[in-house]
Amino acid sequence: EVQLLESGGGLLQPGGSLRLSCAASGFTFSNYAMSWVRLAPGKGLEWVSSISGSGNSVYYADSVRGHFTISRDNSKTTLYLQMNSLRTEDTALYYCARSGWFPGWFDLWGQGTPVTVSS
Amino acid sequence: DIQMTQSPSTLSASVGDRVTITCRASQSISGWLAWYQQESGKAPKLLIYKASTLENGVPSRFSGSGSGTEFTLTISSLQPDDFATYYCQQYKTYWTFGQGTKVEI
Repeated sequence: EVQLLESGGGLLQPGGSLRLSCAASGFTFSNYAMSWVRLAPGKGLEWVSSISGSGNSVYYADSVRGHFTISRDNSKTTLYLQMNSLRTEDTALYYCARSGWFPGWFDLWGQGTPVTVSS
Repeated sequence: DIQMTQSPSTLSASVGDRVTITCRASQSISGWLAWYQQESGKAPKLLIYKASTLENGVPSRFSGSGSGTEFTLTISSLQPDDFATYYCQQYKTYWTFGQGTKVEI
């Protein structure tokens, strides 16, 4: 079955760090660009970061550049998001998503993993 | 940065209604636009890409049009499963979502 499964979310204090994972299955992972998108409480979808299929090209939203790092391990068919210096405004449900074309639309989404940053 | 503005923010409708949602880009994005549906508590679902191409498996009552800076998503006859939030997204330069349109009863 073609699917994405996020994990690693949790509750932590401001300034903390967290690494999210997105395990892919059912398709040739390295052929696809991957992205992280978040949905904060009461707000709309916000693009966070994207990475090419090879991992050679990465992009970040201004709101996370410098404190989030996207990466991937094609041998493990897994996408990562390292989140450092977390702020309360990073509280959201984090989705991973697949793109067959880069840059392109997101044709497959995971169910999301929640991150809550609170003192 | 390219900004995306959807209207309306909320739309009240009934089953069987024809519904239109508008999305405007702050600069031309040609046809590099997608539409997504997000039901409460679920992951977003791709409906349309390249402004007007229907994703496989999406009902034909959904359609998209437009180019440049103005785009529309139309649902020809609203069904119970269609009550959800809809987002447009540009992918010409990085990625930006509109703020969403909630379609409610």
